[in-house]
Amino acid sequence: RKEVEQDPGPFNVPEGATVAFNCTYSNSASQSFFWYRQDCRKEPKLLMSVYSSGNEDGRFTAQLNRASQYISLLIRDSKLSDSATYLCVVPGGGNKLTFGTGTQLKVEL
Amino acid sequence: GAVVSQHPSWVICKSGTSVKIECRSLDFQATTMFWYRQFPKQSLMLMATSNEGSKATYEQGVEKDKFLINHASLTLSTLTVTSAHPEDSSFYICSAPRGQGRTYEQYFGPGTRLTVT
Repeated sequence: RKEVEQDPGPFNVPEGATVAFNCTYSNSASQSFFWYRQDCRKEPKLLMSVYSSGNEDGRFTAQLNRASQYISLLIRDSKLSDSATYLCVVPGGGNKLTFGTGTQLKVEL
Repeated sequence: GAVVSQHPSWVICKSGTSVKIECRSLDFQATTMFWYRQFPKQSLMLMATSNEGSKATYEQGVEKDKFLINHASLTLSTLTVTSAHPEDSSFYICSAPRGQGRTYEQYFGPGTRLTVT
């Protein structure tokens, strides 16, 4: 199993839809997780941190399932501006971050 | 929030030349900075950890003599791509961490797009 694995997509959804992405990780000892958003040709920006079972911030909800070693990101009422690549990130030793390959989301009219 | 700058934003150079990229933490000090590389349609891959006052630590498969890292101060790290070749063309991004535990976050620079012709 890869350290961090994501479905690359792309996921094409209509505006207003609810969409969810999953990310699986291999290190069962990982305690914290992050979802980053990366726009084309830009740097990643932190979207959400996940430390316990989950986190919610407006239209975005992250859930953690430690038993199955996956994290999900749910986006409700998706907007055109949500179109981006969403990166699942797992910290490792020495504060290093391991990035998933990212899931591309395209929100359409 | 914290800001990390990176210069230049993009650079085009000829094969065989060397290119230096700067990464600065603008409003906080960073004893550690990270350098990543991202090829098209791929994720960020950590190249090396830059340590202020000591040698950088490189990830497996990254040539330390080709990618020279110097952490000159608590706010500046530089990456020099020596004798660049077309296969070195990529998006290079630095990051600087801040905080601990639940306040920990890595702040990314805007990236440098390198094209070697």
